[in-house]
Amino acid sequence: QKEVEQNSGPLSVPEGAIASLNCTYSDRVSQSFFWYRQYSGKSPELIMSIYSNGDKEDGRFTAQLNKASQYVSLLIRDSQPSDSATYLCAVNDNYGQNFVFGPGTRLSVLP
Amino acid sequence: DTGVSQDPRHKITKRGQNVTFRCDPISEHNRLYWYRQTLGQGPEFLTYFQNEAQLEKSRLLSDRFSAERPKGSFSTLEIQRTEQGDSAMYLCASSPPDGYGYTFGSGTRLTVV
Repeated sequence: QKEVEQNSGPLSVPEGAIASLNCTYSDRVSQSFFWYRQYSGKSPELIMSIYSNGDKEDGRFTAQLNKASQYVSLLIRDSQPSDSATYLCAVNDNYGQNFVFGPGTRLSVLP
Repeated sequence: DTGVSQDPRHKITKRGQNVTFRCDPISEHNRLYWYRQTLGQGPEFLTYFQNEAQLEKSRLLSDRFSAERPKGSFSTLEIQRTEQGDSAMYLCASSPPDGYGYTFGSGTRLTVV
């Protein structure tokens, strides 16, 4: 049974701070990793994808992957109130065509 | 193309009734997926199509659930004899042939009363 774990939160950070979101996964053959943002009542939207160990930056977002530790994280710099949402970690193993999602971490950015 | 379209957006039904949802994927995406999401949880995979072929089904997809994609374009998800536990958001997603970077639709929120 493949599992993806995240702290459910809520994670509260002040506006302008760095928000750090963490995710661990159980299946060592996992190859592709994704972060989705989901506003309340809305569908998930893709923020970042990462496939190789190390860091990947896109604007205020940085994804970090450590396959040896089976750990992936998302850093949000200069957090804004509009970043308040649930962040979902998703993992794909290249063999299956579906994603396994974590339960999500609820982020609250306080003005 | 404006993205993945799902219809209806909301559905309230009485227990025991049948319901059907529709998903229209992005036109150039040949892969289509159905997920179910309950409050406070991440989406759970239900089934996956590549063109018209249903290639994978989750154990979550009981005998009361059936999905089709008859011409490899739109897809339908039918739930027969609905139960209160079926209340959830049903999400459809599509992806290009490389399979990466799902695009989700807005979802259909089902409430069984």
